[in-house]
Parts: sequence; C-alpha cells; structure tokens
Amino acid sequence: GDSVTQMEGPVTLSEEAFLTINCTYTATGYPSLFWYVQYPGEGLQLLLKATKADDKGSNKGFEATYRKETTSFHLEKGSVQVSDSAVYFCALSDLTGGGNKLTFGTGTQLKVEL
Amino acid sequence: ETGVTQTPRHLVMGMTNKKSLKCEQHLGHNAMYWYKQSAKKPLELMFVYNFKEQTENNSVPSRFSPECPNSSHLFLHLHTLQPEDSALYLCASSHGAEETQYFGPGTRLLVL
Repeated sequence: GDSVTQMEGPVTLSEEAFLTINCTYTATGYPSLFWYVQYPGEGLQLLLKATKADDKGSNKGFEATYRKETTSFHLEKGSVQVSDSAVYFCALSDLTGGGNKLTFGTGTQLKVEL
Repeated sequence: ETGVTQTPRHLVMGMTNKKSLKCEQHLGHNAMYWYKQSAKKPLELMFVYNFKEQTENNSVPSRFSPECPNSSHLFLHLHTLQPEDSALYLCASSHGAEETQYFGPGTRLLVL
C-alpha cells in the first residue's frame, strides 16, 4: 500500500537558518504530493502541493520539488522565522483506485529559536 | 480560516456518555472526511462521504457513527468510547475527486 516517511523531529533551528525536512513516499500509481502545516492548537493547513513529476510547489517561502526518480518531496526554506514553528506533514493522494484518500507521514515538529 | 468549522473545539466525556461532533464547510465542496490524529501516529482516515453517500469506512469501530445529512454538514456520533479514543478529530472537505482537502481546526476529545 501507499506510505509516506518523514524525518523524525523535533528539528530545532535558529532564526534565519536553512530548513530541510525530508519526505519520501511509496505509491503504486501516480500520486499528487502535499505538505500540510499544523500550528499549535489548530488543524492542518495546506502549505503547498505538486501534482506531477518535476513540479515545484511553493508558498510563503517554502518549496518542494516532486522527484519521481528518488520518490521524494523534501520541504525547504531558505530562512526560517520563529513564526514557522509548527508540525509539518507530508502526504500523498493517489486516485488510481478511485476515490480521494490522503496518506500522511507522522509529522515533523519544527522549533525555531531566536 | 479555511472555510471548514468544527464544534466543539474541546470535549471531555465519560465512557458511558453519548456526544456528537459537528463539522460544517462553507466551500461548496461535495466530499467530506473524518480523520483521527493521535500522538506519535500518522493521521488516520476514518470515513469519507461523497455527495452525502459514505464511500469509505476504514474499519472504524461501531462506537463511532458518522452522519452526513447534506454536502455541507458532517457529524460524528460518539457512544461508549474508550480512553484510547482520546485524540484530535479532524474534519476535511474537498471538491469531489479533486485532491486538495481543506481541514477544520479539529475537536480535542478526552475520554475519561
């Protein structure tokens, strides 16, 4: 079945540091890939997405490129801020079998300190 | 604000209680979902409704009973829950088969 693997956290960075959160996936079809973010006490918000190989999703300074050859969708940001502290979830959606099901990773907590 | 609201935001209940969670979406979507988020585990899909019809039940125990009276509203009726059911319950919606799901803020449930 489909699965998503994320690097374990928490990841602790100083403000303005470079961020990478690794995500790899296993899927039988041709999935779309997503990053969601969850701020403390809130639900999940869509951060960015990519629907086919080599697509780059971007939003709020975050980027991720759909790499089919390495089955990866790593999240990057050049300069993090304290306000980026949250839990980040990588997910895939595979419509091959019909329906609309998201498979999530376990989440990576990011802490950004001054 | 994603256009998906959930009430209540917090709920404490005993194992013999009956309660309901409510989700409402203002996005004109056709599909709605219930997820369970437990600590240290990936989000678990519980139920999917498409045009008010249940299309997915991910082996959820019968003590959880969903209801979708229309495309904008989704309920999760709870009865005789167990302490291990304590979790954050998230509702989401999407425009039919379109992949992007939009989530509500969740209901934090504690079962004593």
